[in-house]
Parts: sequence; structure tokens; C-alpha cells
Amino acid sequence: AQSVTQPDIHITVSEGASLELRCNYSYGATPYLFWYVQSPGQGLQLLLKYFSGDTLVQGIKGFEAEFKRSQSSFNLRKPSVHWSDAAEYFCAVGPRYNFNKFYFGSGTKLNVKP
Amino acid sequence: NAGVTQTPKFRVLKTGQSMTLLCAQDMNHEYMYWYRQDPGMGLRLIHYSVGEGTTAKGEVPDGYNVSRLKKQNFLLGLESAAPSQTSVYFCASSLAGEGLEQFFGPGTRLTVL
Repeated sequence: AQSVTQPDIHITVSEGASLELRCNYSYGATPYLFWYVQSPGQGLQLLLKYFSGDTLVQGIKGFEAEFKRSQSSFNLRKPSVHWSDAAEYFCAVGPRYNFNKFYFGSGTKLNVKP
Repeated sequence: NAGVTQTPKFRVLKTGQSMTLLCAQDMNHEYMYWYRQDPGMGLRLIHYSVGEGTTAKGEVPDGYNVSRLKKQNFLLGLESAAPSQTSVYFCASSLAGEGLEQFFGPGTRLTVL
């Protein structure tokens, strides 16, 4: 069965520290992979996506993610967190051809300490 | 360019009442989606549409109906609201084709008493 797991419900990091948010997926075929961010009271905004090619992808706001096929993971990273990064982050996977089969993880809420 | 907008932003209903949520997009996207977001569960697809006049069921369609009479609008209806439908509802849209990046609206917070 297809699924997306974000094992960390809450993470707290100090401003300026590095960040890694974990995402593991179970999918029958090669999926498309996405990270979205949701600020309080807002809709989801796309941070980055992986379709194929280079397994390290760059996104907006200084985020990057690495696709590791052998580990079925797509972890999100940022070298230095800013207070404005406090938000909830969602990993999502979707098939190449069935648009109605998108699966979202349950989210990781990031708190940033000053 | 407003992107995806949703009306209303908040609503409180009593059990058994009906209501319609409106989603509008100005990006000329073919596909539109309705999701619900519940704590600890991420987003779950309710219904979706691949074009004007077409709709289909998603993962959790029971208790909801949808209509897509115009390409830019996607309506979500609750005929008889239940407390289990208390949630935050998000509309999204995307272009047709492979690798579909979805653009989300700001959400509607619905409480059913």
C-alpha cells in the first residue's frame, strides 16, 4: 500500500542551526516527490519537487532535499534556520500518471527558538 | 492574479444543516481538488475534477458532493452536516499532465456542532 511517513510530529531548533526533516514513502512505482510548507492560517506552498535526474534538488527559501531510492526517503534540509521558517511541513508523493493518487504525510511542525 | 481563492474562510454549522464551499482559480488550470485536513492526518482527497463538467471521488467522498459547472470554479457541498465533518478544507488546482504541482487556496475552517 502506498503511504508517506513523517516520523517527527514536532521539531524545535534554534535559529541559525541546521535542520533536517525526514520523509519516508512506500510506493509501487517511481513517484514524484514534493515538499510543501504551511504557515499558520495559510494554504500549502510548494517548496521543491523531484521528478528525475539529480537526486539533490534545490527549492525556495534556501531549502533542499535529497532523494535516496535505496532508503525510500526524501529528506528536507536547510543549513541555517530563520525564525520565519516556523511552520508545518508536508511531504507528498504522487504517481507519474494518476493525478488522483497523491498522498500527503501527516506533517512536521517546526518551532524555531530565538 | 489571485491564484486560488476560497469562500468562506470560517463557518459554523449545526448538525443537519447544509452549505456550499466555493473555490475559484484564475490560472486556467484544468484540474481542481478538494481536500480535508485533520490533525495528525495530513491532507486527504475528497473529490477532484479533470475539467469542466466532470468530477470524481477521492479517498474520503462520503457526505460530500461537488460540481464543476465552470472551469474556474469548483464547489463542495455538504447536504447534511455531521460533527465528523469538522475540519479545515483546502481547494487546489493544477495544470493537466505529468508531475502535477498543485496550488492551494487559504482554506476554510468548518465547525459542525
